[in-house]
Amino acid sequence: DSGVTQTPKHLITATGQRVTLRCSPRSGDLSVYWYQQSLDQGLQFLIQYYNGEERAKGNILERFSAQQFPDLHSELNLSSLELGDSALYFCASSVGADRTDTQYFGPGTRLTVL
Amino acid sequence: AQTVTQSQPEMSVQEAETVTLSCTYDTSESDYYLFWYKQPPSRQMILVIRQEAYKQQNATENRFSVNFQKAAKSFSLKISDSQLGDAAMYFCAYRSTRGSTLGRLYFGRGTQLTVWP
Repeated sequence: DSGVTQTPKHLITATGQRVTLRCSPRSGDLSVYWYQQSLDQGLQFLIQYYNGEERAKGNILERFSAQQFPDLHSELNLSSLELGDSALYFCASSVGADRTDTQYFGPGTRLTVL
Repeated sequence: AQTVTQSQPEMSVQEAETVTLSCTYDTSESDYYLFWYKQPPSRQMILVIRQEAYKQQNATENRFSVNFQKAAKSFSLKISDSQLGDAAMYFCAYRSTRGSTLGRLYFGRGTQLTVWP
């Protein structure tokens, strides 16, 4: 158990819908990262937040957005869902945003878009 | 962008034997971090081992060790005394130490390891 929690574990929804994935980092960690794992694209970095502020952006679609709240939990919002958005979404956390920080991953949320 | 290549989609090993998983990467940076993560059937991503590029000594964690060849941009993982619980997908990952890409991990496509009893 990494100490990072993600809810829900599984999510099944229809095309065009909007969903919210939630992540709670390890106690004391200020950085949260979101990754998408799909068969086509492999594991891809989406976005990073550090202490409530967006720190880095990767291959995140405009239909996707994220935020980190004052209690440091983070939410990833996916809207206008398409079949191709079906994937495993991971949240990871680290102590800070320093070069030495190791990222610890949560169990993931499996999203299925029908 | 940095690229990470794992050329072995699948590998297998007999229990108690040793296996080596390969990883190469492409970067123009001199300082960076490399990681091996393990993803068992539960899908949880578990950190196996970490290597700092500025350290010449290869990292070891119990039965897991790496062979880091900086000039060749190679980072292989050796698993000694393989156990059934080692069966998983293994991902090699790169992390920069500066600039706008500081926080992100770049992953290879993974190597599926099967352990036979």
